[in-house]
Amino acid sequence: AIRMTQSPSSLSASTGDRVTITCRASQGISSYLAWYQQKPGKAPKLLIYAASTLQSGVPSRFSGSGSGTDFTLTISCLQSEDFATYYCQQYYSYPQLTFGGGTKVEIK
Amino acid sequence: EVQLVESGGGLVQPGGSLRLSCAASGFTFSSYSMNWVRQAPGKGLEWVSYISSSSSTIYYADSVKGRFTISRDNAKNSLYLQMNSLRAEDTAVYYCARAPNWNFVGWQDYWGQGTLVTVSS
Repeated sequence: AIRMTQSPSSLSASTGDRVTITCRASQGISSYLAWYQQKPGKAPKLLIYAASTLQSGVPSRFSGSGSGTDFTLTISCLQSEDFATYYCQQYYSYPQLTFGGGTKVEIK
Repeated sequence: EVQLVESGGGLVQPGGSLRLSCAASGFTFSSYSMNWVRQAPGKGLEWVSYISSSSSTIYYADSVKGRFTISRDNAKNSLYLQMNSLRAEDTAVYYCARAPNWNFVGWQDYWGQGTLVTVSS
């Protein structure tokens, strides 16, 4: 199975900061990557699919990039509602879909 | 508005069985494939199972293969997960999640609020 490794596992940032989260696949997955946001006690929410396509309704301060094995999720100007845990997911090697371990974005 | 509402979770002994349900509304359920994804307490997300819109294609994670059965009833707009031979490591919140079209194994665009399954003696 393809392993997805996210870094960092957690970070502290302030409102207005630019935040970058990295996701690395154990083998090439082209652009078959999605990003989700999860707040405590809530369901995950789709942010980005196909590595860089923004899901409808998601603010444009979120962006994704990368292909092959290395991907990034960037929040250009962190807002209070963005403090959450973020997960990447590969769907290249379906049906065995796999998620990264998550990155928790906390208030500094 | 797309809504997915899970039910059927609870406390069950190791080796026991449980059936989860997911009631869908706000979209044409029969036109979308569906997934179950779980999350152990304090842990990350783990994909569990997939079913296409017509039930013709079904997949399972290796960790549940042979023990769990996914099914759906398009007339009732409902998704199910029959879980047998439950183990402590199956303890998790179980989410039903919609795929973006009828026969697509990939990302999930809408998720329910989840139902907690606890396997313990």
